[in-house]
Amino acid sequence: ELKVEQNPLFLSMQEGKNYTIYCNYSTTSDRLYWYRQDPGKSLESLFVLLSNGAVKQEGRLMASLDTKARLSTLHITAAVHDLSATYFCAVDEDSNYQLIWGAGTKLIIKP
Amino acid sequence: DAEITQSPRHKITETGRQVTLACHQTWNHNNMFWYRQDLGHGLRLIHYSYGVQDTNKGEVSDGYSVSRSNTEDLPLTLESAASSQTSVYFCASSSLWETGELFFGEGSRLTVL
Repeated sequence: ELKVEQNPLFLSMQEGKNYTIYCNYSTTSDRLYWYRQDPGKSLESLFVLLSNGAVKQEGRLMASLDTKARLSTLHITAAVHDLSATYFCAVDEDSNYQLIWGAGTKLIIKP
Repeated sequence: DAEITQSPRHKITETGRQVTLACHQTWNHNNMFWYRQDLGHGLRLIHYSYGVQDTNKGEVSDGYSVSRSNTEDLPLTLESAASSQTSVYFCASSSLWETGELFFGEGSRLTVL
């Protein structure tokens, strides 16, 4: 059974700092997704990573995938308050479109 | 613009009542999904469909049912609502032919008293 673990689950940081959220999964997969959720809102797709070594960047966020290590990272550069949200990773184990979700990382960025 | 809409956005009901949450998408996606989101559990898959007349049970399907009579709609029915079904429900869709990226509705908050 596929398990997806995120860490940390909670992160409070200062503006301007860099940090990384980790997403580990337990079986082989080359389809990994990152989503953002603001409080009381829906989930917004951030990145789709579909192969080993994939790296995608959007603004201050960069995601990467290492399928051999079964690890994806979401790196935040020079954090700003607007990036405060909960970030989820999700994995499609069998390419059957059924995603298994991590528990989410609640990120608070203080001015 | 294509979108996915859920209704109602908020509902309060009583234990034992039947409740239906609607989901309508204009993406023309084959795949549609229902998730529930609870604190401490993340997102859990309730039911999903890969196309018209196709429905499948997910991880937490007990007490829920869905039907898919057309491409656009996947209503979720709680046959006899229980307090344990108090949650936020999200509908999502994705294309059969692309990356598997999910597009979510705004969510339906259901309270069962």
